[in-house]
Amino acid sequence: GAVVSQHPSRVICKSGTSVKIECRSLDFQATTMFWYRQFPKKSLMLMATSNEGSKATYEQGVEKDKFLINHASLTLSTLTVTSAHPEDSSFYICSARDTSGIYRGTQYFGPGTRLLVL
Amino acid sequence: GENVEQHPSTLSVQEGDSAVIKCTYSDSASNYFPWYKQELGKGPQLIIDIRSNVGEKKDQRIAVTLNKTAKHFSLHITETQPEDSAVYFCAAWVSDAGGTSYGKLTFGQGTILTVHP
Repeated sequence: GAVVSQHPSRVICKSGTSVKIECRSLDFQATTMFWYRQFPKKSLMLMATSNEGSKATYEQGVEKDKFLINHASLTLSTLTVTSAHPEDSSFYICSARDTSGIYRGTQYFGPGTRLLVL
Repeated sequence: GENVEQHPSTLSVQEGDSAVIKCTYSDSASNYFPWYKQELGKGPQLIIDIRSNVGEKKDQRIAVTLNKTAKHFSLHITETQPEDSAVYFCAAWVSDAGGTSYGKLTFGQGTILTVHP
């Protein structure tokens, strides 16, 4: 299947700092990428949908000024957690939708980023 | 909006046995149903998917069945192995013909599968 990379895999930061997470589709173009947050032993919670070249669409209850999303190219989306606080500690997972070829519409996930805010 | 229910929440089987996980969905317009396997500390991995124009799809030890009338789909794993132990998520999505719909996946709650040696 297609490969989605995510960087960094783990980050520890101090409260009040900002953290940027990168998500890349390595072997396909993704006009749409998604950012999820997952709490321990829970399902994936969609935070926002990122469309290349346009503003992200945030889910209800997700602060767009806190979770900044940029989708500048067909293979890269970034999530910036601004002024992070301990309650932002979580597992963040990106996903990219393959809109070309025989696998169009299939959604692939990155390996996740574990964020710990001290 | 779409609602996906997944059962059971936990499933324990002996190595070599079969495992079945079931999901129901509410939106009859949903036409794409992927299954993901998530190991501890990792992102979900797509293991199999099915579109509404077929009723069954198989890939080696894994198969998925879809009943559009009843709005449910199931994952079947045969000859289970300890490395099959993970959390499995079903999902449903409304996809247009080009796969470029701006819709989103709706996930089930997940099933923790444990395969005992």
